[in-house]
Amino acid sequence: DAKTTQPPSMDCAEGRAANLPCNHSTISGNEYVYWYRQIHSQGPQYIIHGLKNNETNEMASLIITEDRKSSTLILPHATLRDTAVYYCIVKSGNTGKLIFGQGTTLQVKP
Amino acid sequence: DAGITQSPRYKITETGRQVTLMCHQTWSHSYMFWYRQDLGHGLRLIYYSAAADITDKGEVPDGYVVSRSKTENFPLTLESATRSQTSVYFCASSELLRSDEQYFGPGTRLTVT
Repeated sequence: DAKTTQPPSMDCAEGRAANLPCNHSTISGNEYVYWYRQIHSQGPQYIIHGLKNNETNEMASLIITEDRKSSTLILPHATLRDTAVYYCIVKSGNTGKLIFGQGTTLQVKP
Repeated sequence: DAGITQSPRYKITETGRQVTLMCHQTWSHSYMFWYRQDLGHGLRLIYYSAAADITDKGEVPDGYVVSRSKTENFPLTLESATRSQTSVYFCASSELLRSDEQYFGPGTRLTVT
């Protein structure tokens, strides 16, 4: 299973875009990149996922590099409620298991 | 209500006791998962199930038993609880395996004294 590397913490000003990077240099061709977040003590919440192309939904955008070795999650207008731990996960191509790393703690400040 | 629920939400038990954590989903999703999250750490997969009567081990299965006689239920049993099993337990479900998101329950906070 591919491993991911994320910075342990980041700050972002309220109303500004939050750009969360993730490295996954050992990703295989059939493995998806998923992003989840976990707001204090709650269950993880799905944000977005992608395989090769950039993706956008109502919550965020996902930019995947052409070689697929890294990606960036973009929250276009961060709010205080976006303060959470963000997990970048490469989903196992064979089993579909999510292997969670340590994630990035995003602190959105007023 | 549609969704995924866990019970109990909080449980305190003694070392050596058997305890069962319940998970129920209303979507008829094929796949169900159990994770544990220890303080300050990410989630680790305990067991997962691809369908009724089909289960498989995850990263940290020792000390746990699962069953899945019905699609909608996926109970997790600690046969003889130990202090190291004090944790928050999350259940999740998904329809597809590779390309679908997992939906998580609210978690069960278990303390073993």
